[in-house]
Amino acid sequence: IVMTQSPATLSVFPGERATLSCRASQSITTNLAWYQQKPGHAPRLLIFAASTRAAGIPARFSGSGSGTEFTLTISSLQSEDVAVYYCQQYIKRPPERTFGQGTRVEIK
Amino acid sequence: QITLKESGPTLVKPTQTLTLTCTFSGFSLTYGGEGVAWFRQPPGKAPEWIALIYWNDEKRYSPSLQTRLTITKDTSKKQVVLTMINMDPMDTGTYFCAHTPVYCSGGSCYSDYWGQGTLVTVSS
Repeated sequence: IVMTQSPATLSVFPGERATLSCRASQSITTNLAWYQQKPGHAPRLLIFAASTRAAGIPARFSGSGSGTEFTLTISSLQSEDVAVYYCQQYIKRPPERTFGQGTRVEIK
Repeated sequence: QITLKESGPTLVKPTQTLTLTCTFSGFSLTYGGEGVAWFRQPPGKAPEWIALIYWNDEKRYSPSLQTRLTITKDTSKKQVVLTMINMDPMDTGTYFCAHTPVYCSGGSCYSDYWGQGTLVTVSS
């Protein structure tokens, strides 16, 4: 299974919406997580089960989708949201190539 | 509060064995559903899931690495140990351990608390 994220880089004005996509090469139902990673830090879980926010994650982060198409939306981009975002599938056995290649979010 | 911390060598030579220890607190790894996973991340690249051990000692490995990996746990010490044999320069990267909060029926699972990571360089 291959996880493909787009775009590779996303530039958004502060306060505007950022929409990130993740596509699976075959159905993963809703077994998808989203992570945020800032330079020099570990990934931070944002979303699991495609649309459930992890504890302490601001409401401006939301996830949607099922099957092969998934979206992470940041409703109003803040400066602290500058990071690389990864999707991870966790349904397939064997557990190979679970992460997408990432989307870098920048402030325009 | 759940915390995890990785420890081990920062530099290993090709063909040597890497042993990394994850010391955790805030959970016991004895209750149903919990697990500890290992990930690695080459510089500038995406993370890679490599191994997972559950509370019931069920173990899962990345197929591309499983012949080189062993994961074990010592709940009395609150530690999970990852061993990787026959290290290669391509194994250079930051290695993370992370808490997995639920039992996932698939291969890997998501992780909600991560250690800070430890950079391992493989070079002669």
